[in-house]
Amino acid sequence: QVQLVQSGSELKKPGASVKVSCKASGYILTSYVMSWVRQVPGQGLEWMGWINTKTGNPTYAQGFTGRFVFSLDTSASTAYLQISSLKAEDTAVYYCARLPNVVVTALHFDLWGQGSLVTVSS
Amino acid sequence: QSVLTQPPSVSAASGQKVTISCSGSSSNIGNNYVSWYQQLPGTAPKLLIYDTDKRPSGIPDRFSGSKSGTSATLGITGLQTGDEADYFCGAWDRSLGAGVFGTGTKVSVL
Repeated sequence: QVQLVQSGSELKKPGASVKVSCKASGYILTSYVMSWVRQVPGQGLEWMGWINTKTGNPTYAQGFTGRFVFSLDTSASTAYLQISSLKAEDTAVYYCARLPNVVVTALHFDLWGQGSLVTVSS
Repeated sequence: QSVLTQPPSVSAASGQKVTISCSGSSSNIGNNYVSWYQQLPGTAPKLLIYDTDKRPSGIPDRFSGSKSGTSATLGITGLQTGDEADYFCGAWDRSLGAGVFGTGTKVSVL
């Protein structure tokens, strides 16, 4: 079954770090670009950027540079999102989402992980 | 802050039709394809429409997409209670060099 399975919910204190995993199954991770999308509870979707799973080269959207890092473990078919120096405003559900092609003018996400809730609270 | 604007909510009776608008600019909708996603309560978004008017395998033809100028529209016919969800549009924005999503629309079945 083709799916993306993400790691579970995390509760972190301000200033800590978190690493969210996204395991691809049913297809080869390196065949598709992977994006990350943030959703603050009760709000809309924000595109965070993507990682080229063939080269490991990440691209970050404005507002997601510096503290956010996309990475891969291709041997484990897994993509990662790490957030450092966590702030309360980082509290959100983070989704990994697969891009079926690399044509940006036709950007769309055909497969989504179930989401990982990261809560930042003292 | 979302670049694409959608109405906060739309509603209709079971079996009726609703349309959801997504307003953008020449930087996004006007010159790029549009996608639409359905997010049922407590679940991840699901692709409904891509390349403005194409449906992925498994998506019923009750769902349709179209575009005119800098606005796109999602149509849902034969509305069912299972269609109650949040719907988001999405596109590439060439000025921002980023993917952008709409503000989201909650569909209610009366």
